[in-house]
Amino acid sequence: GPKVLQIPSHQIIDMGQMVTLNCDPVSNHLYFYWYKQILGQQMEFLVNFYNGKVMEKSKLFKDQFSVERPDGSYFTLKIQPTALEDSAVYFCASSLVPNSDYTFGSGTRLLVI
Amino acid sequence: GEQVEQRPPHLSVREGDSAVITCTYTDPNSYYFFWYKQEPGASLQLLMKVFSSTEINEGQGFTVLLNKKDKRLSLNLTAAHPGDSAAYFCAVTRNSNNRIFFGDGTQLVVKP
Repeated sequence: GPKVLQIPSHQIIDMGQMVTLNCDPVSNHLYFYWYKQILGQQMEFLVNFYNGKVMEKSKLFKDQFSVERPDGSYFTLKIQPTALEDSAVYFCASSLVPNSDYTFGSGTRLLVI
Repeated sequence: GEQVEQRPPHLSVREGDSAVITCTYTDPNSYYFFWYKQEPGASLQLLMKVFSSTEINEGQGFTVLLNKKDKRLSLNLTAAHPGDSAAYFCAVTRNSNNRIFFGDGTQLVVKP
């Protein structure tokens, strides 16, 4: 079936540096999401994005976080500067309609040292 | 907003036994319900999407029950096998939401 691709699959970065996580959503999907998962536990909502705008964000979506999808390219999550507590697996998802089944990517495992 | 509570957080069963995971939700306007399976190191795969009008939903080797009166959603794995070992997440949404709300997950281990 259709897939969401996430690049890179793993990233190690020094605390304070900037990191950009890339997501290539399903081609005809219109809604995009980022979730954070620590230690294989709960999926924590970060943000959703539609028509070039953030629709909703959680308290976890700190000021250091930003998202964009310039000209239909990758949907990106940028963290600048990174902190130790940002270490987690970040999942991108996309959907055709806002509250229907998501297609998840395989995740980017981010380690901030 | 919606709150989704999932139980148990960990579940260990023998091969051939049944396994039941339950979620309760708070918003009576919740309309769509989902179960996702996540194998170790992998992404979330949709097991089943349930509409609020359907109380019993049969899948391959499992049943999803929806009790709207009690606001309870359950995943019943019948005759579990080691390949079912994974994390399972319920999720809930409604028409007016822009996102779905996840439960905290259940780590299921099926021992041979």
